[in-house]
Amino acid sequence: DIVMTQSPDSLAVSLGERATINCKSSQSVLYGSNNQNYLAWYQQKPGQPPKLLIYWASTRESGVPDRFSGSGSGTDFTLTISSLQAEDVAVYYCQQYYTTSKTFGQGTKVEIK
Amino acid sequence: QVQLVQSGAEVKKPGASVKVSCKASGYTFTSYAIHWVRLAPGQRLEWMGWINAGNGDTYYSQKFQGRVTITRDTSASTAYVELSSLSSEDTAVYYCARDPPGGGPFDIWGQGTVVTVSS
Repeated sequence: DIVMTQSPDSLAVSLGERATINCKSSQSVLYGSNNQNYLAWYQQKPGQPPKLLIYWASTRESGVPDRFSGSGSGTDFTLTISSLQAEDVAVYYCQQYYTTSKTFGQGTKVEIK
Repeated sequence: QVQLVQSGAEVKKPGASVKVSCKASGYTFTSYAIHWVRLAPGQRLEWMGWINAGNGDTYYSQKFQGRVTITRDTSASTAYVELSSLSSEDTAVYYCARDPPGGGPFDIWGQGTVVTVSS
């Protein structure tokens, strides 16, 4: 299975400041035939299921605020929240869907400083 | 609207089995795959397996191979996951999630089912 490793495990950011989460895969999730990275980001708040934020590494899901952005390719990816809002407090997970076993990172907890 | 609605919380004794359902509505059930993912306390989201709701093909995580069975009832637009030989380590919230045709991220999730294993 592809192992997904996120960093940091948690971070505290002031309201309005930038939050950056990194995700590294143990092998490339870039599919050569279509040049797409099979990488998604989810947000999970307490008591709720995960919510899809970003797919194909950088495409925002419909309705997701544009302060959320994704970047990266191959094995290294980043989720950026450009201006942290109170409602963004959550755990964020990356996921690879390159293989049939669609593994997740360990999660990054984002809090307000 | 498109949604997945799961069955209610379960409490089981060690060694027992549990079966959780996931009813789909608002879309053509057989055009998508359904995956099962769990979140145990202090752990990461853990992918368990999936079923092609159209032809019934299944694929399981090696970790759960032999202990997990995923099925579907197309007449009821419902998928099921059954986990046997439960231990306390299986205490978790179990989620179903929809996977678009051709494979992709999970765009719709069920609300989650809490399974507690305790003697």
